[in-house]
Amino acid sequence: DADVTQTPRNRITKTGKRIMLECSQTKGHDRMYWYRQDPGLGLQLIYYSFDVKDINKGEISDGYSVSRQAQAKFSLSLESAIPNQTALYFCATTVPGQLSYEQYFGPGTRLTVT
Amino acid sequence: AQSVTQPDIHITVSEGASLELRCNYSYGATPYLFWYVQSPGQGLQLLLKYFSGDTLVQGIKGFEAEFKRSQSSFNLRKPSVQWSDAAEYFCAVGAATGRRALTFGSGTRLQVQP
Repeated sequence: DADVTQTPRNRITKTGKRIMLECSQTKGHDRMYWYRQDPGLGLQLIYYSFDVKDINKGEISDGYSVSRQAQAKFSLSLESAIPNQTALYFCATTVPGQLSYEQYFGPGTRLTVT
Repeated sequence: AQSVTQPDIHITVSEGASLELRCNYSYGATPYLFWYVQSPGQGLQLLLKYFSGDTLVQGIKGFEAEFKRSQSSFNLRKPSVQWSDAAEYFCAVGAATGRRALTFGSGTRLQVQP
């Protein structure tokens, strides 16, 4: 299985601050994703990337930006955090190939914006 | 666009009882379907998946799910629930587009009584 790590695991920040969440994976998967989880809403896609030069918006990208620094690293930034961005954030990767729907998730980052 | 509905927000069962969690999907072609489990404070773990072939799929921890195309359903079952199964369960469908992201249901929280 993919080894997907996320840092930090928990973060409390103030409204208006810039914050970056980081994701790293060690299996060489080409596709990486950022999801947001809110209670009662499941997971929603923020951004996804197929390789270093291919970044795409998901359904809820407003207020977020991403950077794919290398194949193994995919960072999510909140340029100016607001309280309704308080949520659990997950990074995920998929294996290359035809059946690349199965996703491997990191442990999540719990972000609180006060 | 695809969608997933999990009609039951919260289910409580007694330890040793059988379990069925419902999942209905909306998708125009043959879906790729998944069940994930999220234990408190943890990330998402894949329980099982359906891509094609046998409509009854076996997963980890004694879970199984049956794909019923006529009912657009992919219900998760377990014959005898254990206390350790208490968690939140998410059904997901693979996206039709090349992004290969998943669309998740809103989740069902399972509580197990002794």
